[in-house]
Amino acid sequence: AQTVTQSQPEMSVQEAETVTLSCTYDTSESDYYLFWYKQPPSRQMILVIRQEAYKQQNATENRFSVNFQKAAKSFSLKISDSQLGDAAMYFCAYRSASRDDKIIFGKGTRLHILP
Amino acid sequence: DAMVIQNPRYQVTQFGKPVTLSCSQTLNHNVMYWYQQKSSQAPKLLFHYYDKDFNNEADTPDNFQSRRPNTSFCFLDIRSPGLGDAAMYLCATSRLNAGLADTQYFGPGTRLTVL
Repeated sequence: AQTVTQSQPEMSVQEAETVTLSCTYDTSESDYYLFWYKQPPSRQMILVIRQEAYKQQNATENRFSVNFQKAAKSFSLKISDSQLGDAAMYFCAYRSASRDDKIIFGKGTRLHILP
Repeated sequence: DAMVIQNPRYQVTQFGKPVTLSCSQTLNHNVMYWYQQKSSQAPKLLFHYYDKDFNNEADTPDNFQSRRPNTSFCFLDIRSPGLGDAAMYLCATSRLNAGLADTQYFGPGTRLTVL
């Protein structure tokens, strides 16, 4: 069975600095999707970034980028120029491309932005 | 804007009193999900629909039921809420693409309090 591990329950970063959230996963499949979701306090969960496993190029969305290491089964999220609005719980998630579409979530990392 | 809407945002019920939470979507997605999320935890999938095909998670209690009368609406019924059912309930949707569902889009959630 697939698992997703986020080893950092909480992190803090100074405003305008760069922070990296780590995520590792375990799977025997070769084709799958990885996601980072952001859930601000009392607000809606939104997709931050999405990566297809068959793509070698790391996905990027403005200040958000990933470091996808397929062999190492690692999928970290880098946030550049951190802003106060980035404070949230961040969930790493996995979905198989060959089976049903259920998402497997990690336990989340709570990110604090220090002014 | 296309979106996932949940009503009400906050629901208070009494122990054992049935409650229904609703979700609607304007995305025209054919897959809809219900998750339970407790404080500082990852969302836990309760069940999902492919169109009208209902898929129950093995560990979802019988106390939880769902209805999907049409593409746009999906309901979560809790027949006899217990104190342990107090949580945030998230609805999500995704689009079936070439036999595989795509990224999930989440509603804002309904926070359920059980007195």
